[in-house]
Amino acid sequence: AQSVTQPDIHITVSEGASLELRCNYSYGATPYLFWYVQSPGQGLQLLLKYFSGDTLVQGIKGFEAEFKRSQSSFNLRKPSVHWSDAAEYFCAVAPRGGYNKLIFGAGTRLAVHP
Amino acid sequence: KAGVTQTPRYLIKTRGQQVTLSCSPISGHRSVSWYQQTPGQGLQFLFEYFSETQRNKGNFPGRFSGRQFSNSRSEMNVSTLELGDSALYLCASSLGTGQGASNEKLFFGSGTQLSVL
Repeated sequence: AQSVTQPDIHITVSEGASLELRCNYSYGATPYLFWYVQSPGQGLQLLLKYFSGDTLVQGIKGFEAEFKRSQSSFNLRKPSVHWSDAAEYFCAVAPRGGYNKLIFGAGTRLAVHP
Repeated sequence: KAGVTQTPRYLIKTRGQQVTLSCSPISGHRSVSWYQQTPGQGLQFLFEYFSETQRNKGNFPGRFSGRQFSNSRSEMNVSTLELGDSALYLCASSLGTGQGASNEKLFFGSGTQLSVL
């Protein structure tokens, strides 16, 4: 069955520190891959997506993610975290041809200490 | 340009009632998708409409239904509400034309928070 695993439910980092959020997926073929962010009481905002090509993807707000086929992973990184990055982050996959039918991970809640 | 608008923002219903949620997509977007978000089950895909036709469907019971109008606005209906239907219901719109999936992007609304008592 298709699934997305985000092993870390909650992460706390200091402002200015680097960040890596993990995401592993289980899928029959290479799916479309996404990272979304959700602030409290808000909808989801797309940070970045991988469809094909370069496995290192740049997104908004200084985020990047690397697709590793051999590890079925799509980890999100940011070199220096800002207090405004505190939010919940969701990794998602979608089948090729069904990019609106997202399967989400459980999310990682990020807290940022000043 | 205006984003995805969902109404109402909050809703309280009792078990057994039915509810209708509304979603107005971004102008020019023809695809509307619905998602349910709960603390226990997380984010789950309900269905997608494109040009007034349901194009994709998730694994929800028939009590959950939707429709899309000619102006791309969409409504979602839940009949015979159960306590477990309490959730944040998110609507997302996209161009939906499929002309290069890499150009597609989902824009989410802020959701309707439904509480079933």
